[in-house]
Amino acid sequence: DIQMTQSPSSVSASVGDRVTITCRASQGISSWLAWYQQKPGKAPKLLIYAASSLQSGVPSRFSGSGSGTDFTLTISSLQPEDFATYYCQQANSFPSFGQGTKLEIK
Amino acid sequence: EVQLVESGGGLVQPGGSLRLSCAASGFTFSSYEMNWVRQAPGKGLEWVSYISSSGSTIYYADSVKGRFTISRDNAKNSLYLQMNSLRAEDTAVYYCARVHHQGVGLDYWGQGTLVTVSS
Repeated sequence: DIQMTQSPSSVSASVGDRVTITCRASQGISSWLAWYQQKPGKAPKLLIYAASSLQSGVPSRFSGSGSGTDFTLTISSLQPEDFATYYCQQANSFPSFGQGTKLEIK
Repeated sequence: EVQLVESGGGLVQPGGSLRLSCAASGFTFSSYEMNWVRQAPGKGLEWVSYISSSGSTIYYADSVKGRFTISRDNAKNSLYLQMNSLRAEDTAVYYCARVHHQGVGLDYWGQGTLVTVSS
C-alpha cells in the first residue's frame, strides 16, 4: 500500500500570507495526486487534480506542483474562507489519503 | 447540477448490518466510476471501496474486505454499500464520491451519512 505523509500537521497563518503544504508518497505515483479542502461538518472539496490541474471553479490562488513522490499545495494569498483542513490523496493504486493539515488563523 | 445524496445510516449494534444508498442526479451516472470514503469522528479520510462504471471492477480496503459489498444500479442511478459484521471501528460518516473524468481525484461528494456502531 502507498502511504501519504503530509506536513505540517497544522499551521497558523494570517490573511494575505502565502502558505505551502507538502505531501510525500511512500513510492512514486507520477502525477496521480489530488488535493482537497474540508471545512467542519462538510464534505471534502476537490481543489487540484493530476498534481497541478485546478478544478473548475476553484480560485487561482490555489496551485499544486510536484511529481513522483513529492508534492506541494500552495495558497498564494490566504483569504478568510481558506481556513480549513487540507488533504492529499494518491490515485496511483488503491486510493489513500494523507493525514490532513489544519490551517488555522494566527 | 450534479448531486449525490446518501441515506441509510443510523445506529446499529456490533455484528449488525446496514445498507447505505447514494442517489445520483445531474450527470450520466453509468459513465462514472464511484467510491465510498469514510471519516471517523474527529479523524481523517479513509477510502473504503471503488466500483467501475459498469460495476465489473470492484476494490475494497483491507479493513472492510469480506464484510462490505459495493454495488450499483445504473438504471436507478444509485450506488450502494452493504455493510455486514459491523464493528465499533466502522463508526464514521460515509460519503459517496464520483471519480473525476480524468481519473485522478473525487470531484463530487455527497453530504455524508453517519453510521454509529454501538451497543
